[in-house]
Amino acid sequence: NAGVMQNPRHLVRRRGQEARLRCSPMKGHSHVYWYRQLPEEGLKFMVYLQKENIIDESGMPKERFSAEFPKEGPSILRIQQVVRGDSAAYFCASSPQTGIGETQYFGPGTRLLVL
Amino acid sequence: KQEVTQIPAALSVPEGENLVLNCSFTDSAIYNLQWFRQDPGKGLTSLLLIQSSQREQTSGRLNASLDKSSGRSTLYIAASQPGDSATYLCAVSNDYKLSFGAGTTVTVRA
Repeated sequence: NAGVMQNPRHLVRRRGQEARLRCSPMKGHSHVYWYRQLPEEGLKFMVYLQKENIIDESGMPKERFSAEFPKEGPSILRIQQVVRGDSAAYFCASSPQTGIGETQYFGPGTRLLVL
Repeated sequence: KQEVTQIPAALSVPEGENLVLNCSFTDSAIYNLQWFRQDPGKGLTSLLLIQSSQREQTSGRLNASLDKSSGRSTLYIAASQPGDSATYLCAVSNDYKLSFGAGTTVTVRA
């Protein structure tokens, strides 16, 4: 059973470009979470999604950031018009059922560098 | 809002010494607490998960305790090895979100 997959592992963008980060949860998992780790900081929750639904996006910046988890295919975290402050590691996690109190399995992360 | 603090921020010990890593949290209404290991440039590896009803969990050389009422957890690593060098993260779950501490970076000197 393959783990959580994220791609790309490394992404370089210039200011003003768009960044698209992909996450494929573990097989059988229908809950996806995105976290961001800024340099020298802990991971911060961004958004929680189930298939075709955003459950909680309270940790997402209000502008330029969006997330989706379509019926088919991976979850996508999209950052429009990136700025240098968006440089961070973005981690995706998945869990199987209810989400609450469930173990979350983390992917290897995508390191975004904005030049 | 849940706040998670890890002390110390960094730790350097000679090989063979026992490690003690501390984690504290402000809201005791948690479902579980999890300890992770993060290697430089890598993802998170789950080490131990303690449910809120449990007092401790053990796996090999690792032992984690949980005192929910006082908002504390301690990770013990016995007989440290250079391969234990990594950043250790503590995370608590109040619902579906995990709240992380900033981590303790451990260096085990050969």
